[in-house]
Amino acid sequence: KQEVTQIPAALSVPEGENLVLNCSFTDSAIYNLQWFRQDPGKGLTSLLLIQSSQREQTSGRLNASLDKSSGRSTLYIAASQPGDSATYLCAVFGNQFYFGTGTSLTVIP
Amino acid sequence: DAGITQSPRHKVTETGTPVTLRCHQTENHRYMYWYRQDPGHGLRLIHYSYGVKDTDKGEVSDGYSVSRSKTEDFLLTLESATSSQTSVYFCAISEGSGKLSTDTQYFGPGTRLTVL
Repeated sequence: KQEVTQIPAALSVPEGENLVLNCSFTDSAIYNLQWFRQDPGKGLTSLLLIQSSQREQTSGRLNASLDKSSGRSTLYIAASQPGDSATYLCAVFGNQFYFGTGTSLTVIP
Repeated sequence: DAGITQSPRHKVTETGTPVTLRCHQTENHRYMYWYRQDPGHGLRLIHYSYGVKDTDKGEVSDGYSVSRSKTEDFLLTLESATSSQTSVYFCAISEGSGKLSTDTQYFGPGTRLTVL
């Protein structure tokens, strides 16, 4: 069974800092990997989807990379803002989506 | 936001009672999913649907059943609720083809269910 791990579980940074969130998975036989954002009491919002044949995807200040052979993905957030405070989840798709437990990010003004 | 609504948004019920949660979409997407989210476990797939009347089990399907009689509605039923089913339940939708879709999933706002 696919296991998805996100470290750290929580992260607090000052505004303006660049930061990296990590996601690792145990089975490299995946179709794609997706990063989501979840605000407290809300559903998930899709941020980026990387197909298994791709190495990275970018959207605005966000850049996600995928190294399938090592079972790792990173989400890079540039110039962090207080509005980026949320929980970030990664999910990998093999025969279904398997989710990590998330990294709770707090950006301090 | 994708046009996905869930009802009810909050429910408290007692052990042994049946409970039905509803997911409604206005996007005409083929695929619909039910997940539960629990601390320490992340989101886990309960059941999914790949078309009207076409459903399959996910990772944690025991104690749950689903039905989809129309494209826009996907119902999740807890046949006899237990305290272990206290959770936040999310519905999601996606496009795609075949029995499995690898497309982006769009999530509803969630239903918080408490079983006493």
